[in-house]
Parts: sequence; C-alpha cells; structure tokens
Amino acid sequence: DIQMTQSPSTLSASVGDRVTITCRASQSVDNWLAWYQQKPGKAPNLLIYEASTLQNGAPSRFSGTGSGTEFSLTIDSLQPDDFATYYCQENKSFLRTFGQGTKVEV
Amino acid sequence: QVQLVQSGSEVRRPGSSVKVSCTTSGGTFESHTLSWLRQAPGQRPEWVGYIIPVQGISQVAQQFRGRVTLTADRATKTIYMDMRRLTFDDAGVYYCARDQISGFYTVFDSWGQGTLISVS
Repeated sequence: DIQMTQSPSTLSASVGDRVTITCRASQSVDNWLAWYQQKPGKAPNLLIYEASTLQNGAPSRFSGTGSGTEFSLTIDSLQPDDFATYYCQENKSFLRTFGQGTKVEV
Repeated sequence: QVQLVQSGSEVRRPGSSVKVSCTTSGGTFESHTLSWLRQAPGQRPEWVGYIIPVQGISQVAQQFRGRVTLTADRATKTIYMDMRRLTFDDAGVYYCARDQISGFYTVFDSWGQGTLISVS
C-alpha cells in the first residue's frame, strides 16, 4: 500500500503570509495527487488535482507542484478563510490514500 | 447543481449494523460513479468503496470486504452503504462523494454533508 506523509502537521501563519505544505508518497504516484481543504464539521473540498491543476472554483492563490514522491501545496497571501486543515490524496492506487493532514492555524 | 444529501446521525451497539443513504441530484446518479469515505475523529479520510449507480456494480477496499455492501436505487437516485458487525473503530463521519475521473483512479469533487455514526 502507498503511504502518504504530510509535513508539517501544524503550521502557524498570519494573514498575508505565503505558506507551503509538503506531501511525500512512499512510492511514486506520478502526478496523481490531489489536495483538499477541510474546515471543522465540514466535508473536504477539492482544490487541486493531478498535482497542479486548479479545480474549478478554487481560488488562484492555491497552487500545487511536484511529481513522483514529493509534492507541495502553496497558498499565496493567506486569507482569513484559508485557516483550515489540508489533506493530500493519491489516486494512483485502488485505495486512494490520504495524508494525515496539515492544520494551518493563526 | 450537484447535491448529495445524506441521512442523519445514527447510534449503534457493537456488533450491530447501520445503513447510510445518499440521495443524488443534478444528473450525478446517471453520469458518475460515487464513493463512500469515512473519517474517524481527528483522523484522515479513508476510502471505503465505490459504486456505479446505474449498473449497481460496486467495489470496496479489502479491509471492508464481507462487512460492507454498497447498493443503489434507480427510482430514488439514492445510494446506500450497509456496514455490519460494527466495532468501536467504526465510529466517525461517513461521506458519500462524487468521483472525478483523474487518471486510472478518482478524486472526489463533491461531497455529501456527512453522517455521524456513533458506536457505544
């Protein structure tokens, strides 16, 4: 099974900051990697798929890079609405495994 | 507009069963596959399985085989997840989600509101 590991687990930031979250896969997932945002009590929301393609409706301050086993999600100019937990998810394997999450807090 | 509306919270005893529904709209039932995922408190989401609603064909992750059944009702455009022999580890929020094709396996582009399953 593919294991997905995110870092850091928690990130403290301020409005206007540029933040980057990293996701590592235990084996290559090519570019089959998605990012989600989740707020407390809500379902995850798809932001990026295929490592770097912005989902329709997702703000352009979100961007993704990477391939193989190393990926990153960057938020340019953090907005108040962006404080949330972010998950990566591989869709190279049948299990569609998620990372453990990164909480972006004030 | 895509909408996935799930049934309400449930409380179950260990060893019992639960059935969660997800009613679709916006053409999703006919045009997409749908997945079930779950999320234990403070944990990452975990994929349970998927169904092709118009065909009733489903697959579940190995760890749930024999314990989870996915079904679909074409008349009501509703899908169901039936989980048996519940344990404390099954507690959490269960989501249905629409699959978005991206490569060989899918990502999830629309989600239901979640159904809280408590086991006590």
